[in-house]
Amino acid sequence: DTAVSQTPKYLVTQMGNDKSIKCEQNLGHDTMYWYKQDSKKFLKIMFSYNNKELIINETVPNRFSPKSPDKAHLNLHINSLELGDSAVYFCASRPGQNTGELFFGEGSRLTVL
Amino acid sequence: GESVGLHLPTLSVQEGDNSIINCAYSNSASDYFIWYKQESGKGPQFIIDIRSNMDKRQGQRVTVLLNKTVKHLSLQIAATQPGDSAVYFCAERDAGNNRKLIWGLGTSLAVNP
Repeated sequence: DTAVSQTPKYLVTQMGNDKSIKCEQNLGHDTMYWYKQDSKKFLKIMFSYNNKELIINETVPNRFSPKSPDKAHLNLHINSLELGDSAVYFCASRPGQNTGELFFGEGSRLTVL
Repeated sequence: GESVGLHLPTLSVQEGDNSIINCAYSNSASDYFIWYKQESGKGPQFIIDIRSNMDKRQGQRVTVLLNKTVKHLSLQIAATQPGDSAVYFCAERDAGNNRKLIWGLGTSLAVNP
């Protein structure tokens, strides 16, 4: 009965590789997000989709490409991984525009060697 | 500019004491604020929110105070328990894009038994 689930939870890979993180929410929310959290716990928004449409695209390198096949899924693909991409990536969803309550997944810890 | 900051990056309290976590924001046009709690190894979890037409809102053992004059927000936790140990974030809704939150840096709360 997990609300927002991300896979994989841990990912260790070499520089230059391409990897994907998947996210699914079963809450029926229209809006989904990807956040990056660095080692100092700073949370930075990356992307947001509303019902499969990209609505927020922060200054993220174009090596990062989100894909939303349907409103319950938002995947993140990263090309040519760099050391600085090491972080915890969180997926989140939001029920509506009149609330700031986001429902987060448990995070995917990416380590680039 | 956009910034939501915290006065205290770490806070250590005794079990049973009250905790106060502070947050400053810079945009006087912000009209909605949220507090999140992030436990180790988990995603942030919504605690409480407050709109700018209020100066106080209470939840279960938590109270959020908003002082718009000095652009200051605080979270008070009554009778702090070991389970309250976490990183706490304040966030404000971006006045220019209500789908986006601007996050503070986080305060780590440690509860000593």
